[in-house]
Amino acid sequence: DAEITQSPRHKITETGRQVTLACHQTWNHNNMFWYRQDLGHGLRLIHYSYGVQDTNKGEVSDGYSVSRSNTEDLPLTLESAASSQTSVYFCASSDPGTGSNTGELFFGEGSRLTVL
Amino acid sequence: GDSVTQMEGPVTLSEEAFLTINCTYTATGYPSLFWYVQYPGEGLQLLLKATKADDKGSNKGFEATYRKETTSFHLEKGSVQVSDSAVYFCALTRTSGNTPLVFGKGTRLSVIA
Repeated sequence: DAEITQSPRHKITETGRQVTLACHQTWNHNNMFWYRQDLGHGLRLIHYSYGVQDTNKGEVSDGYSVSRSNTEDLPLTLESAASSQTSVYFCASSDPGTGSNTGELFFGEGSRLTVL
Repeated sequence: GDSVTQMEGPVTLSEEAFLTINCTYTATGYPSLFWYVQYPGEGLQLLLKATKADDKGSNKGFEATYRKETTSFHLEKGSVQVSDSAVYFCALTRTSGNTPLVFGKGTRLSVIA
């Protein structure tokens, strides 16, 4: 079965370190997204991609970067981790389909990051 | 910009009670509307959707009707079960163009036996 997997599921790091969260999907979806989930804020969009070599900033992109070198993967990098980036991170993918966006996102199980 | 407002939780109900979670939106044009559910320790999954005014989405006993006149998409279920305990997110996307979903902040539901 097609799926979307995130790794690591849990990570503890120190302030200032570079961290990369991996996201791999086997749906062959063009669209991929990174969200962070925080109490009181719900889900906020960090970065997204509509295809290979395409990346776009979301509403909370500062301190994060992504690259899309193939269809399956969209790694999220924290260049210099800060305590404010302690959160649960979700990767998602979707197929734009034909015509309008169907809107159905397929989510990974999340990566819990703690920055000390 | 586009936005979604949900009622704040947590909501605690007894089993078999009636559930309503309010959701209103602000968007240009005619967005598509969604409810996603997040069970403990999992990612979100689509619960139901509606793509045009007066459409009713339904799944697993949950329903929501797209009300353009009140810009609302309230989630309802006639009789909740303990297994419905989860966080529920309302979301929208513009139907013109390939745009990311905009999510509300989520409403935590706890159902007690």
